[in-house]
Amino acid sequence: AQSVTQLGSHVSVSEGALVLLRCNYSSSVPPYLFWYVQYPNQGLQLLLKYTTGATLVKGINGFEAEFKKSETSFHLTKPSAHMSDAAEYFCAVSFNQAGTALIFGKGTTLSVSS
Amino acid sequence: DTEVTQTPKHLVMGMTNKKSLKCEQHMGHRAMYWYKQKAKKPPELMFVYSYEKLSINESVPSRFSPECPNSSLLNLHLHALQPEDSALYLCASSQPGLAGGGTDTQYFGPGTRLTVL
Repeated sequence: AQSVTQLGSHVSVSEGALVLLRCNYSSSVPPYLFWYVQYPNQGLQLLLKYTTGATLVKGINGFEAEFKKSETSFHLTKPSAHMSDAAEYFCAVSFNQAGTALIFGKGTTLSVSS
Repeated sequence: DTEVTQTPKHLVMGMTNKKSLKCEQHMGHRAMYWYKQKAKKPPELMFVYSYEKLSINESVPSRFSPECPNSSLLNLHLHALQPEDSALYLCASSQPGLAGGGTDTQYFGPGTRLTVL
């Protein structure tokens, strides 16, 4: 069965530090991979996605993620955290061949301290 | 433009009320979704419409009734809800994928915060 695991329900960093949010998936077919961000009382905003092609994907707000098939991972990084990055981050997977909708990880809350 | 709009932003209703949530997109997407999200949890899929036809119903209670009047509009009719139905209700849209499930990039609206008293 397809699934998504986000390691660490809560990550805390200092402003200016590296942000690393981990996401692993399990799938028997090639996945489409997404990272969404959710600010309090708002909807989900797409940060970036991987479908095919280049495995290093750049998104909005300075975030990027690398698809590593051998590690079944799609970790999200940002070189330097900003206070405004504090939010909930969801990794999600879809499997076009199966015709299913998004499967979400449980989410990671990112806190940024000054 | 990747905007999905939802109205109302907030809704408070009693258990005997009938109300509706509305979602609209003008991106030409032919797949639309309803999700329910509880605090500190990921969104849970409720319904998927593909080409205005219901393609996925994730065993949602009948007190939730979806409707897709046209390719831009999605409604969720609510009746006789329970307090445990209080949540953020999110709408999303995308182009349909294979088998009508809808697997291209989903764009989400801001949600309707529902409180059932």
